[in-house]
Amino acid sequence: GAVVSQHPSWVICKSGTSVKIECRSLDFQATTMFWYRQFPKQSLMLMATSNEGSKATYEQGVEKDKFLINHASLTLSTLTVTSAHPEDSSFYICSARRGRSNQPQHFGDGTRLSIL
Amino acid sequence: DQQVKQNSPSLSVQEGRISILNCDYTNSMFDYFLWYKKYPAEGPTFLISISSIKDKNEDGRFTVFLNKSAKHLSLHIVPSQPGDSAVYFCAASVLGGNEKLTFGTGTRLTIIP
Repeated sequence: GAVVSQHPSWVICKSGTSVKIECRSLDFQATTMFWYRQFPKQSLMLMATSNEGSKATYEQGVEKDKFLINHASLTLSTLTVTSAHPEDSSFYICSARRGRSNQPQHFGDGTRLSIL
Repeated sequence: DQQVKQNSPSLSVQEGRISILNCDYTNSMFDYFLWYKKYPAEGPTFLISISSIKDKNEDGRFTVFLNKSAKHLSLHIVPSQPGDSAVYFCAASVLGGNEKLTFGTGTRLTIIP
């Protein structure tokens, strides 16, 4: 199996709050983890790629000071949305991959973030 | 620029028949392709993949075909079952490149009992 757990599944918080989302690979070691964002009726858009022990690589247009990514171990990556505002409300989803790029990514169930 | 396209937003197929989902891509550098299935409120589940050195890969009821000259891939599900009703995404990447998956917009498959 290749199970990826994402927590929390749903967050509602006030504007200005920082929110942390966890992504864990439960039964395999993930050398690389990915964070995506999905807007309504659109496809998954990659935000950043993180390798264990190194800094994340952010996609163009993604603010790295806004979306802090930490990949401290081979089974855990976190995304922190700092000082969240209503426009940050979205569906965030992580994936994890074992080994090299010819291995599939396995996804968590996503986090619905709503900023009031 | 949508580099991976799924032109059919929805598809309905009778139970027991073959479901064919299509995907086109524009970036000739893509050499690794995947299909994912997604239920509401869940993350995508990996189904099957194919690298560009092959033109067909089969796993149980699922077969993926790749036509590199046409930049087209398809997923065949046979026989279709009610549990196959979901949104299907194709994705593409460049092996050894930036490892980024580029997703299509998805096709909602409905299997009619």
